[in-house]
Amino acid sequence: AQSVTQLGSHVSVSEGALVLLRCNYSSSVPPYLFWYVQYPNQGLQLLLKYTSAATLVKGINGFEAEFKKSETSFHLTKPSAHMSDAAEYFCAVSELGNNRLAFGKGNQVVVIP
Amino acid sequence: GAGVSQSPRYKVAKRGQDVALRCDPISGHVSLFWYQQALGQGPEFLTYFQNEAQLDKSGLPSDRFFAERPEGSVSTLKIQRTQQEDSAVYLCASSPGADSPLHFGNGTRLTVT
Repeated sequence: AQSVTQLGSHVSVSEGALVLLRCNYSSSVPPYLFWYVQYPNQGLQLLLKYTSAATLVKGINGFEAEFKKSETSFHLTKPSAHMSDAAEYFCAVSELGNNRLAFGKGNQVVVIP
Repeated sequence: GAGVSQSPRYKVAKRGQDVALRCDPISGHVSLFWYQQALGQGPEFLTYFQNEAQLDKSGLPSDRFFAERPEGSVSTLKIQRTQQEDSAVYLCASSPGADSPLHFGNGTRLTVT
């Protein structure tokens, strides 16, 4: 069965510093991988999606993620954190490329001025 | 344009009551998904519709949960004889097709007392 693991429920980062959120997946077939963001009182929004094309995927708001098959990872990064990046971030996997997603537990990102 | 709309935004039910949660997807979106998000967890898949057909209901946790989309647009998730463990945020999402990005609503927070 497909699954993702996100460690560390809360992540604090200083404004201007690197944002790094880790995601490791388990899948019996080549996976489709996603990062979603949830701002306070809003619905989940797609940040980026990996679909077996380029291993480095660029998303919205300056975020990107790199698919590493050897490490079964799909970590999310942003070079310089903004206050507006404070939100909850979810990694998700789909084995069939459809929207039946298995989500991780999420990372609550706090940006420190 | 209008996004996915869910109502009510908050629902408090006494244990044993029946509840109905409504989802208005984006007009023209063929695919509709329901997810359940417990406190501190990522969303978990409940069920999936393509137009009015319920193609996958394997995520529904018990036979007390029932979903319908009779005319292929608005969907209702019904929970009978609610239990405390049903307390969660219920998320609805729609997309133009099965592999198109999901658009999530803001969710309905159900609290069973």
